[in-house]
Amino acid sequence: DTEVTQTPKHLVMGMTNKKSLKCEQHMGHRAMYWYKQKAKKPPELMFVYSYEKLSINESVPSRFSPECPNSSLLNLHLHALQPEDSALYLCASSQIQGEGQPQHFGDGTRLSIL
Amino acid sequence: GEDVEQSLFLSVREGDSSVINCTYTDSSSTYLYWYKQEPGAGLQLLTYIFSNMDMKQDQRLTVLLNKKDKHLSLRIADTQTGDSAIYFCAGTGGGNKLTFGTGTQLKVEL
Repeated sequence: DTEVTQTPKHLVMGMTNKKSLKCEQHMGHRAMYWYKQKAKKPPELMFVYSYEKLSINESVPSRFSPECPNSSLLNLHLHALQPEDSALYLCASSQIQGEGQPQHFGDGTRLSIL
Repeated sequence: GEDVEQSLFLSVREGDSSVINCTYTDSSSTYLYWYKQEPGAGLQLLTYIFSNMDMKQDQRLTVLLNKKDKHLSLRIADTQTGDSAIYFCAGTGGGNKLTFGTGTQLKVEL
């Protein structure tokens, strides 16, 4: 069982919809991450939060909006997505943001854009 | 940015050893990781090695690191059908940014 919980597991949405992906961890980790993974490809980093503040934004389009309301929760708000945004979205956490801090992943949300 | 390459596919028989290889271009990663991804699941951290080590063993898993050749390998002893998955190596850049390899699909045959 993963200690990083992501909901929903699957999401289908139209290009005009607004939806949110949620991620929760109770390991006391203070760094949380969003990754995007296309089929048969490695994950690509999108955002990093450290102590609830945005630390890294990998030039992600503004239709993806992250939010970290507290140290256990990480959200990814979606609006006006494109078909090419269909992918597996993975959340991860680590003790703190820094080398030697292993990242623990959730099982992801599989997103399909119609 | 760093390039991390892996062979795409490996097939072994149950009970044999599997060796998954990874080569990287940037030697500045302090830690190198191995993750396993089963179908429909996220990434499971298997093990990791500090860059000043040559080898790390953890039960059936052995990690070898050759810094001179920028080569990392994962050996799985007594490979089982449950080991069938995609395996990613990864290194860390600034800010704990993981750079993943291209992934190796391991298939274990009876």
